[in-house]
Amino acid sequence: DAKTTQPNSMESNEEEPVHLPCNHSTISGTDYIHWYRQLPSQGPEYVIHGLTSNVNNRMASLAIAEDRKSSTLILHRATLRDAAVYYCILRDVSGGSNYKLTFGKGTLLTVNP
Amino acid sequence: DTGVSQNPRHKITKRGQNVTFRCDPISEHNRLYWYRQTLGQGPEFLTYFQNEAQLEKSRLLSDRFSAERPKGSFSTLEIQRTEQGDSAMYLCASSLTTGMTGAFFGQGTRLTVV
Repeated sequence: DAKTTQPNSMESNEEEPVHLPCNHSTISGTDYIHWYRQLPSQGPEYVIHGLTSNVNNRMASLAIAEDRKSSTLILHRATLRDAAVYYCILRDVSGGSNYKLTFGKGTLLTVNP
Repeated sequence: DTGVSQNPRHKITKRGQNVTFRCDPISEHNRLYWYRQTLGQGPEFLTYFQNEAQLEKSRLLSDRFSAERPKGSFSTLEIQRTEQGDSAMYLCASSLTTGMTGAFFGQGTRLTVV
């Protein structure tokens, strides 16, 4: 599986934007970029995904570099409830809609009040 | 609550005992996954089902582990002769076969083997 690299941790202040980076230099043409987050004592939660174009949903925005070798998850206004581990995952869809996901260690986001 | 449900939430067992966990997926989801997560690590894939068929098993799933999904609805994960190294959070997820809605995870079952 193609690998992703994320910072171990990041800090943000409440109500400020947060940009969480992810490098995936070995991404293939059939890899979608997925983001999940895991709040303390909870299972992972789907955040957003994209292939080539930037994507927006109610939770976040995903900015994908033109060469697709990196991406950035953007939380527009961080709240205390956004404190979590954020995982950037490449999902190969060439074999069908299979959510056999390979999680790394992710980025631990701390949000300061 | 229409999310993925896992029971029990916590289980403490003595080494050598057998344990069984249950997962109830979102009702219209035909794919079901089991993951294991140890402290400080991301979840690791164990196995997945499409309806009642178990389509893939990770090398992490030793012969002491068995998973079933009778009738393609709920699933059980059994660990026989538990070892201390089995202590972890066991997560279940479900998804649709088609579309790109993401996988939905339950809150997990935390197993402690003493």
